[in-house]
Amino acid sequence: KAGVTQTPRYLIKTRGQQVTLSCSPISGHRSVSWYQQTPGQGLQFLFEYFSETQRNKGNFPGRFSGRQFSNSRSEMNVSTLELGDSALYLCASSSGLAGVAAGELFFGEGSRLTVL
Amino acid sequence: GEDVEQSLFLSVREGDSSVINCTYTDSSSTYLYWYKQEPGAGLQLLTYIFSNMDMKQDQRLTVLLNKKDKHLSLRIADTQTGDSAIYFCAERTGSARQLTFGSGTQLTVLP
Repeated sequence: KAGVTQTPRYLIKTRGQQVTLSCSPISGHRSVSWYQQTPGQGLQFLFEYFSETQRNKGNFPGRFSGRQFSNSRSEMNVSTLELGDSALYLCASSSGLAGVAAGELFFGEGSRLTVL
Repeated sequence: GEDVEQSLFLSVREGDSSVINCTYTDSSSTYLYWYKQEPGAGLQLLTYIFSNMDMKQDQRLTVLLNKKDKHLSLRIADTQTGDSAIYFCAERTGSARQLTFGSGTQLTVLP
């Protein structure tokens, strides 16, 4: 069973640009969550998509957006990049079911974004 | 609000036991999880405990939960160099579907 695939693995952008990151969840998983990981702030929840609908959203500005397609693949977009957006962006898939399974996240290796 | 705290670093000798501690503030937590992150990788779920349990054992891993003190710990028996990683505890409350992660504890296993 293939794991969670994130692309690209590494990218460098400059301030003001925008970036799109992609995540392909485990086959059969309908929930995709995105997290930002930085040394200072740790793991911060961005948003969760389930069956193409945003089901949860963290406390990030509107520059951060996402979407999910009918095949459960998800993209997140960051517009007008700032230096502070440099981070490892992690995608996690899950079955989307309630109970303990809601916290059973399967993470990709992440996309490391550097903003210059 | 929700807050999960962990100590940042822990060093142990190979073969010793490691105990990683975590405190949380939300008394409505339903499930608590331990994740492991190796260098350059995403997080991997190690184990979880339901809030009505006190202890859970899974091979070398033992999870202890003190709900009164809102304290969670992960004990790794016979720690090996391959256990060197960052360990995150995470809580999920009944009202929220997302996890709140602690800051992570960097475990270093010395030979």
